[in-house]
Amino acid sequence: GDSVTQMEGPVTLSEEAFLTINCTYTATGYPSLFWYVQYPGEGLQLLLKATKADDKGSNKGFEATYRKETTSFHLEKGSVQVSDSAVYFCALSAASGGSYIPTFGRGTSLIVHP
Amino acid sequence: EPEVTQTPSHQVTQMGQEVILRCVPISNHLYFYWYRQILGQKVEFLVSFYNNEISEKSEIFDDQFSVERPDGSNFTLKIRSTKLEDSAMYFCASSDWQGARQPQHFGDGTRLSIL
Repeated sequence: GDSVTQMEGPVTLSEEAFLTINCTYTATGYPSLFWYVQYPGEGLQLLLKATKADDKGSNKGFEATYRKETTSFHLEKGSVQVSDSAVYFCALSAASGGSYIPTFGRGTSLIVHP
Repeated sequence: EPEVTQTPSHQVTQMGQEVILRCVPISNHLYFYWYRQILGQKVEFLVSFYNNEISEKSEIFDDQFSVERPDGSNFTLKIRSTKLEDSAMYFCASSDWQGARQPQHFGDGTRLSIL
């Protein structure tokens, strides 16, 4: 079945550091890929998405490129802020047997220190 | 921006008791979902609901669980006889249509603690 693997956290960075959170996937068909963010005490919010190979999703300084050849969708940000501290979930949605229910990774906690 | 709202934010219940978690999806959305997240684990799909019936459910969603849309706005998840392992965050989500490209909009969750 479909699956998403994320790097284990927590990831601890100083403010203005470069961020990479790795995400790889396995899926049948051609999935759409998503990053969701969960701030403390809140639900999941869509951060960015990419729906086909080589697409780049971007939002709030975060970027991720859909790499079909490596089945990856790594999240990057050039300069993190304390306010970026949250849990980040990689997810995919594929038309697998008619189901579009997304498959989530385990989440990666990001802690940014001033 | 319209939001999915969930109540209560935290529910504490004795094992064996029934619990109802409530959600108000975004008003023009047609597809509704429940997920759960056990502490430290991944977000797991429970059930999806469309046109007043369950469209898909996971293995987790056994006979102890039920969903209902009792009126035009609320969407509820009922657990009939709670077990310790039902302790988790429960998220409601909605979307205006269903497709691989369509993200879902999530509520802030209800933390369910079973004693």
